[in-house]
Amino acid sequence: RKEVEQDPGPFNVPEGATVAFNCTYSNSASQSFFWYRQDCRKEPKLLMSVYSSGNEDGRFTAQLNRASQYISLLIRDSKLSDSATYLCAVNGGTGFQKLVFGTGTRLLVSP
Amino acid sequence: DAGVTQSPTHLIKTRGQQVTLRCSPKSGHDTVSWYQQALGQGPQFIFQYYEEEERQRGNFPDRFSGHQFPNYSSELNVNALLLGDSALYLCASSTTGQGNSPLHFGNGTRLTVT
Repeated sequence: RKEVEQDPGPFNVPEGATVAFNCTYSNSASQSFFWYRQDCRKEPKLLMSVYSSGNEDGRFTAQLNRASQYISLLIRDSKLSDSATYLCAVNGGTGFQKLVFGTGTRLLVSP
Repeated sequence: DAGVTQSPTHLIKTRGQQVTLRCSPKSGHDTVSWYQQALGQGPQFIFQYYEEEERQRGNFPDRFSGHQFPNYSSELNVNALLLGDSALYLCASSTTGQGNSPLHFGNGTRLTVT
């Protein structure tokens, strides 16, 4: 079983739609969790950290469920510019900043 | 304040050759981590350098080696290149002691092995 798993998609949604991605992780000792956005042939860029209480940043909401070992990302009112690959990343809990990434979920927002 | 910078941006090498990639960390950061991202995959951890020593290593062969200099910059060396080494190589810097902070990546070096 992979340490971090994501549905690769693609998720095809129209502008204005709400879309949600899930990501499961296997290491129960994981300490911190993140969502990154990656545009084609570019480096991953931090979208948001994921906190136990859940957190929101504009149209984006992230949730953490430690009991079921998954994190989620909700995007409301999708924009064309949201088209990208969304990577979830988990800190392996070693005390070092070693991130384990999923394979990414591709989102395509169409007019 | 410059973030993480990597060079070169692109590189084409032939199978069997050796390559060196470079990374300058963000000002104030003392730790450098290297990741390999193959097409269609998420980044995979190669190793991490702190105080000029390799502190942690992922599941990569000894052909992958690195170095950290006193100014915290780092190099990634890959010997005996294989076609499968073609990937985007990402560098991230951080400050040791902030173990739960996110990583911010440089622009990456795209290596093509022919």
